[in-house]
This record gives sequence, C-alpha cells and structure tokens, in this order.
Amino acid sequence: GDSVTQMEGPVTLSEEAFLTINCTYTATGYPSLFWYVQYPGEGLQLLLKATKADDKGSNKGFEATYRKETTSFHLEKGSVQVSDSAVYFCALSANNDMRFGAGTRLTVKP
Amino acid sequence: SQTIHQWPATLVQPVGSPLSLECTVEGTSNPNLYWYRQAAGRGLQLLFYSVGIGQISSEVPQNLSASRPQDRQFILSSKKLLLSDSGFYLCAWSAFQETQYFGPGTRLLVL
Repeated sequence: GDSVTQMEGPVTLSEEAFLTINCTYTATGYPSLFWYVQYPGEGLQLLLKATKADDKGSNKGFEATYRKETTSFHLEKGSVQVSDSAVYFCALSANNDMRFGAGTRLTVKP
Repeated sequence: SQTIHQWPATLVQPVGSPLSLECTVEGTSNPNLYWYRQAAGRGLQLLFYSVGIGQISSEVPQNLSASRPQDRQFILSSKKLLLSDSGFYLCAWSAFQETQYFGPGTRLLVL
C-alpha cells in the first residue's frame, strides 16, 4: 500500500542554520504530497502541499518540491528560527486516503 | 471560513470509566471526518473515518467506537477505558479532495 518514510529525528540546529528534512513516498497512483507542522500541545497545521510532479509548495520560508523521479518531497528552509521548533509530518493523499510519516522533531537553539 | 472544535481539551479518567470526546466542524457541509490518536512521541494512528451521517469506518479494532449523529459532529466513545487509551486525540475534516484540517486535540490520561 501507499506509505511515507521520513528521516528520523530528533534534529537539533542552531538559529539561522539550513534545514532539510527528508521524505520519500511509495504510491501506486499519483498522490498529492503535504507537510504538516505540530507545535507543542497543539493539533497539526498544514504547512505546504504539492499536487503534481515538479510542483513546489512554499509557506513561511519553507519549501518542498514534488520529485516524481526520486519519489521525494524533502522539506527545506534556508534559515531556521527558534519559533520553528516543532514536529514535522510528511504525508501523501491518494483516493481520499491520507498516509502520514512518523514525524521529525526539530529543535532550534538560539 | 471553516473551523474545527474539539472538547474537552484535557481529560483525566480512571481505568474502566466511559469516554466521550466531541468534534464539530463549522463553515462546511458534508465533510469527511477523521479521528486519530497520537501516543506520546509517536506518529498518527487513524482510528475512524466517516464520509457521511451514520457512516463510520474503523481502521483499528479496539475498545473505542465512533458515531456521527449530525453532518458536522463526530464523537469518539468508549464504554471502559484502558491504560493504553492514553494519548492525544485529534479530529480532522476534509472536503471531497485530500487536504485534511486538524482540530486542537484532546489530551487523555487514563490512570
């Protein structure tokens, strides 16, 4: 079945460092891809999404590009802030069925 | 705009007691509705989803049940809680296509 694999955390970075969180997927069809963010004690918030190959989703300085050839949707940010500390989930959706990765905890230190 | 509410925000219950968590959505009609559980430090586990009133699909057999008595209301219940039911319960909705939007969650501690 469809699945998502994302890099295990935790990830700890200093403020203004470059962030990459890897995400790869397995799907039989043509899924849409998502990144969600969960701040401590809160629900998940949609961060960005891409619905077809080569689309780039972007929001709040975060970017991810839908790469069909490598079945990947890596999350990047050029300069992280302390306020970006959270858990990040990669997800795919196909035929009304959404699959989530296990989540990656990011801690940004001042 | 659409909003999703969950209550209570936090709940502490003894083992063997009943449970009722409520989720309501505003600003949309006939949404798909979902219940997830997130154990401490872990990912999301889909428990139930519903595509309409009275239509419930269960993903994982357990002592929990779900009901959808109204179009925009989704309830998670248990007759007797277990210690292993502790966790963070998230409700989500989606329109026909794809993107799911999550509520603020209910933190349940079973003692």
